Amino acid sequence: AQKVTQAQTEISVVEKEDVTLDCVYETRDTTYYLFWYKQPPSGELVFLIRRNSFDEQNEISGRYSWNFQKSTSSFNFTITASQVVDSAVYFCALSEPYNTDKLIFGTGTRLQVFP
Amino acid sequence: GAGVSQSPSNKVTEKGKDVELRCDPISGHTALYWYRQRLGQGLEFLIYFQGNSAPDKSGLPSDRFSAERTGESVSTLTIQRTQQEDSAVYLCASSLDATGEFYGYTFGSGTRLTVV
Repeated sequence: AQKVTQAQTEISVVEKEDVTLDCVYETRDTTYYLFWYKQPPSGELVFLIRRNSFDEQNEISGRYSWNFQKSTSSFNFTITASQVVDSAVYFCALSEPYNTDKLIFGTGTRLQVFP
Repeated sequence: GAGVSQSPSNKVTEKGKDVELRCDPISGHTALYWYRQRLGQGLEFLIYFQGNSAPDKSGLPSDRFSAERTGESVSTLTIQRTQQEDSAVYLCASSLDATGEFYGYTFGSGTRLTVV
């Protein structure tokens, strides 16, 4: 069965600190996609990144970076120099490709960045 | 429209009443999904539409829940005889296609349902 685990339920940091959000997944598929979504207090989910299982290159986008490690089934997300606007719930998700593209979500990590 | 639109944004209903939640996906998006998010929880898949048909309804929690889609556009999620455990945010998402390359969904802002 497919499963996504985000063990950190809540993280609090002070502005400008770096923070890493962990995501561990389980799947028997050899082809799959991994995602991160941000859910700010407004409630709307914002797409951050999609990663194909065949592409293990790490990715950096501004202050955001993602570390994909197939060997440990992890897809961790790091925010560098955090800002108050980064405060949100962050969800990691795994898709069932070539079928319904249903997303299996983790339970989310609430990040609070204090000034 | 430019994004996925859901209505109403908030709904308070009495236990035992029926409710209808509406989703307008992005124009041209053939795939449409409903998810439920209980307070402090992740998202639970409910149902997936490809066009007007629903090949995967595996997440609907009971026969009180049903959904339909018409014109490969608007979808309605209906909950009959609502119970307090139905209280949650119901999120709709759409994507261009559910086969081949998949770039993820665009989500609506959700309908917050409170059953009192």
